[in-house]
Formats: sequence, structure tokens, C-alpha cells
Amino acid sequence: GDSVTQMEGPVTLSEEAFLTINCTYTATGYPSLFWYVQYPGEGLQLLLKATKADDKGSNKGFEATYRKETTSFHLEKGSVQVSDSAVYFCALSDSGSEKLVFGKGTKLTVNP
Amino acid sequence: KAGVTQTPRYLIKTRGQQVTLSCSPISGHRSVSWYQQTPGQGLQFLFEYFSETQRNKGNFPGRFSGRQFSNSRSEMNVSTLELGDSALYLCASSPWGTENSPLHFGNGTRLTVT
Repeated sequence: GDSVTQMEGPVTLSEEAFLTINCTYTATGYPSLFWYVQYPGEGLQLLLKATKADDKGSNKGFEATYRKETTSFHLEKGSVQVSDSAVYFCALSDSGSEKLVFGKGTKLTVNP
Repeated sequence: KAGVTQTPRYLIKTRGQQVTLSCSPISGHRSVSWYQQTPGQGLQFLFEYFSETQRNKGNFPGRFSGRQFSNSRSEMNVSTLELGDSALYLCASSPWGTENSPLHFGNGTRLTVT
């Protein structure tokens, strides 16, 4: 079945450091890929998405590129802020499935 | 526009009891999905409804059920609660479903089973 594997962390960085969170996937079809973020005590918010190979999703300084050849969708940000501290989830939605398959989540803490 | 509203926010139940959780989607959204979030298993899909019809179901026992009303509001029910059902239950809505539009999540209902 479909699955998503992401580095579980936790990841601790200093403010303005570079962030990479790795995500790889296995899917039977041709999935859409997502990054969601969860702040303490809240539900998930969509951070960015990509629906086809070589698409780059971007939002709030975060970027991720859909790499079909490596089945990856790594999240990057050039300069993190304390306010980026949260749990980040990589997810996929296979065509026609009407459900998201999530990775385990990566907790990011950014220190001033 | 109001977001996805889940009630109650917190719930404490005893083993063997049943529980009903409620979700009001964003106005105009016809698809409602439910997810269970636990530290051990992460986020797992429960089911998805569109226009009162269940379109997809995850790998959960029959104790977990749901329904959607004509106004798109949804409820999920868990019968004969077990300790392992303690989790954060998240509801998400979208206009047409996961494939065509991103999900908007509520803040969840934290269920504790003692």
C-alpha cells in the first residue's frame, strides 16, 4: 500500500539556520504530495503541495520539489525563525483514494 | 469564513462506554474526513464522506462509525471504548475531496479513555 517515510527528529536549529526535512514515498498510482504543519494545540494546516513531477510547492519561505525519479518531496527553508517551531507532516494522496497518508511527523524547535 | 469546528474539545470516557464526536465543516464544503492521531501510530485515516455518502474507509474496527448530514455536518461514533482509543480525533473538510482540493483541519477532539 501507499506509505510515507520522513525523518522523525526531533530537529533543533538556531534561528536563521537552513532547514531540510527529508520525505520519501511509495505509491501505487501517481499521487499528489503535501506538507502540513501542526502548531501546539491546533489542527493541521496545509503548508504547500505539488501535484505532478518537477512541480515546486512554496509558501512562507518553505519549498519542496516533487521528484518522481527519487520518489521524494523534501522540505527546505533557507532561514528558519522561532515561529517556525512546530511539527511538520509529509503526506500523499493517491488518485481516486480520497484520503491522505501521512508520515510520522518531524518536530522542529528553533532557538533564538 | 469560519473554520472547521469540532466539539467537544476534550472528552474523558470510561472503557466500555460509547462516544460521539461532532464536526461542522467550512460553509460550502461537502467533503468531510476523519483522522485519528496518536503518538505511536501517527495520523491514520478513518473515513471520508461526501454528500452523506461514505466514499472511503480506513482500517479500523467496526466500533468506529460515522455519518454525514444533509447540511454536511458530520459525526463519528466509537462504541465499546478501549484504552487504545485514546487519541486526538481530527476532522477535515474540503469542497470536493482530497484529490481536488486541500483539506482544512479542525483543532480536534482530545479523547481520553480510562
